[in-house]
Parts: sequence; C-alpha cells; structure tokens
Amino acid sequence: AQSVTQPDARVTVSEGASLQLRCKYSYSGTPYLFWYVQYPRQGLQLLLKYYSGDPVVQGVNGFEAEFSKSNSSFHLRKASVHWSDSAVYFCVLSAGSNYQLIWGSGTKLIIKP
Amino acid sequence: NAGVIQTPRHKVTGKGQEATLWCEPISGHSAVFWYRQTIVQGLEFLTYFRNQAPIDDSGMPKERFSAQMPNQSHSTLKIQSTQPQDSAVYLCASSLAPDNYAEQFFGPGTRLTVL
Repeated sequence: AQSVTQPDARVTVSEGASLQLRCKYSYSGTPYLFWYVQYPRQGLQLLLKYYSGDPVVQGVNGFEAEFSKSNSSFHLRKASVHWSDSAVYFCVLSAGSNYQLIWGSGTKLIIKP
Repeated sequence: NAGVIQTPRHKVTGKGQEATLWCEPISGHSAVFWYRQTIVQGLEFLTYFRNQAPIDDSGMPKERFSAQMPNQSHSTLKIQSTQPQDSAVYLCASSLAPDNYAEQFFGPGTRLTVL
C-alpha cells in the first residue's frame, strides 16, 4: 500500500537559519512527489514537484527538495528561512490510475525571531 | 483567474441535518477532486470526477455521502443526516489534466461543524 510519512509534526527554526523537513514514502512503482504548503487561513499551494530527472528540484520562494530512490525519501530544504515561511508543509504522493493524492500528516514550521 | 471557489466557507448544522457543499473548479480544468481534512485523520481523498463523470469514489463513506458534477462549472458534496464525526474542512481541487503529475489547485475549503 502507498503511504507517506512525515516524522516531525513540528519543527522550530530561527529566522535566517537553514531548514530541512523530512519525508519518506512507500510505493512500489515510480512515484510522483509533491510538497504543498498551507498558510494560516489560506488554501493549499504547490511548492514543487518531482517525477524524474535531476533529483534536486527547485520550487517557489527558495525551496528545493531532493529525491532519493534508495532511501525512499523526498526531503524539503531551504537555505535561509523567513518569518513568512511559517505554515504547515505536506509531502504528497500521487499514485495509481485515478490520480488521487496520498498525504503525509504534515509538519508545522515555526519560525523564531 | 479566481481560482477554485468553495461555498460556503463555514457551515454549522445540527446532528441529523443535511449539508450541501459547493465547488466551482477553475475554468477549463477537466479533473475535480474532493478531500476531507481533520486533525486526527489529516487529509483524505474522497472522490474524483473527470470531464464531469464520476471516476473514483473509494474514499467516500458509503451511506450518507454523495457527490455530483452536473456541469463543468460546479460540483456538490452532499452529506445526509450529518453526524459530529463529519465535522471537518472539506477541500475541493481541480487540475487541468487528469494525470499524476498535474498540479491540483485547491479551494479555501468549507469548514463544516456538526453540533
């Protein structure tokens, strides 16, 4: 069965520091992977996505993610966080013929001033 | 481009009442999805339409939930005899093409509270 695991429910980072949010997936086929972000009182927005090619993909607002087939991981990174990055981040897997998204439980990112 | 529109943004019902949630997908998008978000379960797939036809409702609770897409400009999710455990944020999303790599655009959600 397909699944996505985000082991960290909450991550606290100082403004200006680097960030990594962890994501592990389980899927026997070729995964389509996404990171979505949910800002307070706003809808979900796509940060980046990966299917094939360069395992490091760039997204919006300076975010990038690295795919690792050997580790079944798709970690999200940012070199220097800003207070406006405070949000909940979801790692998502698209699998199967009906294109439904399989969601991780989300990681709440808290930025300390 | 107004994005995906969902109405109402908030709905409060009494136990046993009916709730109808509306979604207007982005014009030209052929795929429409419904998800449910709760603190305990997180985000769960409910159902999927392609070119207005129901394709997959495997996530829908069978007895009281139903979804329709009578035309390309709107979809409805109906919950009959609402129960407190139906309280959640219901999210509608649309995508330009029905494929695994297509970005799904989400509406702001409808927060349903069942008293």
